[in-house]
Amino acid sequence: EAGVTQSPTHLIKTRGQQATLRCSPISGHTSVYWYQQALGLGLQFLLWYDEGEERNRGNFPPRFSGRQFPNYSSELNVNALELEDSALYLCASSGGINQPQHFGDGTRLSIL
Amino acid sequence: EDQVTQSPEALRLQEGESSSLNCSYTVSGLRGLFWYRQDPGKGPEFLFTLYSAGEEKEKERLKATLTKKESFLHITAPKPEDSATYLCAVRFSNTGNQFYFGTGTSLTVIP
Repeated sequence: EAGVTQSPTHLIKTRGQQATLRCSPISGHTSVYWYQQALGLGLQFLLWYDEGEERNRGNFPPRFSGRQFPNYSSELNVNALELEDSALYLCASSGGINQPQHFGDGTRLSIL
Repeated sequence: EDQVTQSPEALRLQEGESSSLNCSYTVSGLRGLFWYRQDPGKGPEFLFTLYSAGEEKEKERLKATLTKKESFLHITAPKPEDSATYLCAVRFSNTGNQFYFGTGTSLTVIP
């Protein structure tokens, strides 16, 4: 069974640009979660999508947004990039509300 | 105030030297506590789920236990390949399916 896949692996942008990160969940999982893991910090919850709808978002500004497609894959968009957005962005999927989240290996976003 | 706290931040063990990692939480209404292992440059790998006090789960050299306010990850006779960062996450009843992660314990096992 294929795990959660994320693309690209690395992404380099400059301040003010926009970034798009992609995630494909485990087959059969309808929930997708996005996290930011900055250097030295824990995983910070960004967004939760389920059945195509945004269910919850963390304490991040509106320039962090996303969507979930009918096939349950998801995109995270970050507009007006700032230096502090440099981090590992992790996507996870789960098969139900009380099930563990399974993670991809992330997209390393570097802002120059 | 942090809702999930892990200790110690870092731990160095000799190969074969058993020890425990701690994860404590401050909010009531636990709906699940999850342990993960994260290797450098990789996403967290799911290890265990615990749902109620007194519950225990085992996998190879790892054993996770849960009390009303904390969980322990016991590592018995660790090997160098157990070196990683161990994360715990908690889901509370009033947070939908949002997980709160601790900042992890970085474990190094020396041969």
